[in-house]
Amino acid sequence: AQTVTQSQPEMSVQEAETVTLSCTYDTSESNYYLFWYKQPPSRQMILVIRQEAYKQQNATENRFSVNFQKAAKSFSLKISDSQLGDTAMYFCAFMGRKNSNSGYALNFGKGTSLLVTP
Amino acid sequence: DTAVSQTPKYLVTQMGNDKSIKCEQNLGHDTMYWYKQDSKKFLKIMFSYNNKELIINETVPNRFSPKSPDKAHLNLHINSLELGDSAVYFCASSQDEGQYYGYTFGSGTRLTVV
Repeated sequence: AQTVTQSQPEMSVQEAETVTLSCTYDTSESNYYLFWYKQPPSRQMILVIRQEAYKQQNATENRFSVNFQKAAKSFSLKISDSQLGDTAMYFCAFMGRKNSNSGYALNFGKGTSLLVTP
Repeated sequence: DTAVSQTPKYLVTQMGNDKSIKCEQNLGHDTMYWYKQDSKKFLKIMFSYNNKELIINETVPNRFSPKSPDKAHLNLHINSLELGDSAVYFCASSQDEGQYYGYTFGSGTRLTVV
């Protein structure tokens, strides 16, 4: 079974600063996909960034980038130049399946609540 | 032009009632899902359908029954509601099983059982 661990329940960062949210996962699969989702107070789940495990290069999307360490099973999210609108719950997610007979599903970590302060 | 729409957004009901939540996607996706987000914000998959066929059925009470009349719709019916069913329920969809582009989520339905 795959597990996703986000060890920081809450974090705070000042506007324009950089913050890194950590995520580790456990799997025996060799190829898989990892995602970060953002959930602002509006409740909407928004895809931030994705990473394919077989790609060495870390994914980037504007101010958002990941540090993917496959051997360490680590997938952290870096937010540069933080903005007030980045205040949200951030979920790390692993795309996997329970067994060979099961379908794929996103398995989420417990989330990190990020507060960006002026 | 909402991609994944859920109705209703809020639902308050008494214990023992039966209720349904509807979900529709206009993205042409093949697969749809139901997730439950509890009071601690933890998201857990309940069901997934691919082209109207059930492919994931997690350990949920059989009071919960998904129904997919076509690949653009996935409804969730809940019988004999209990206090512990109070949560936010999210519908989502994906092309294939979502490995490449992840899921597109609806805005959620907050269910409160009193």
